[in-house]
Amino acid sequence: SQKIEQNSEALNIQEGKTATLTCNYTNYSPAYLQWYRQDPGRGPVFLLLIRENEKEKRKERLKVTFDTTLKQSLFHITASQPADSATYLCASKRVDSSYKLIFGSGTRLLVRP
Amino acid sequence: DGGITQSPKYLFRKEGQNVTLSCEQNLNHDAMYWYRQDPGQGLRLIYYSQIVNDFQKGDIAEGYSVSREKKESFPLTVTSAQKNPTAFYLCASSIKGGGSYEQYFGPGTRLTVT
Repeated sequence: SQKIEQNSEALNIQEGKTATLTCNYTNYSPAYLQWYRQDPGRGPVFLLLIRENEKEKRKERLKVTFDTTLKQSLFHITASQPADSATYLCASKRVDSSYKLIFGSGTRLLVRP
Repeated sequence: DGGITQSPKYLFRKEGQNVTLSCEQNLNHDAMYWYRQDPGQGLRLIYYSQIVNDFQKGDIAEGYSVSREKKESFPLTVTSAQKNPTAFYLCASSIKGGGSYEQYFGPGTRLTVT
């Protein structure tokens, strides 16, 4: 069955370093992946969408890559700041319906000052 | 300001009572969604609606009901048939139904049933 997986362990890094979060998918080939940020007790906020024919996409300090060979997307935050601390979710279209998304469980990022 | 509002933020109910969670959007979006989020788990889809007066069951629809009488509103009723209703509920919308469209989420309602 379709799976989208993120590392459940929190990522703890020093301010100024680059944070790299991973999203792996199995048993399907998504046409695109979305990345969201979620702060505690709040709804997710959309960050970036990358299509399978795009190797990389950037937005300010954010960069997303999509490797269809490795079945993986990497989400990078450069020059990380304590304000970047949050949970980051990846999502893709469901194989059983073009109208539904499947979400990973998210990876929590902690940026130490 | 455009966006999605959910109310209330916190809701407490006794077991056996039905409860309705409100979701309103002024983004003029066609599609709306309800998700449930439990600790350590991804978002799970309860119901979705691509257009007014039409809605579809998601993965965990049992014990829930919805209506879509207006484009702006998509209320969710948690019935007494839902075995484990305590959770964080999120409403979302997108311009149209389809996974290529980003979803805009409301602030969520945390429901506690005792």
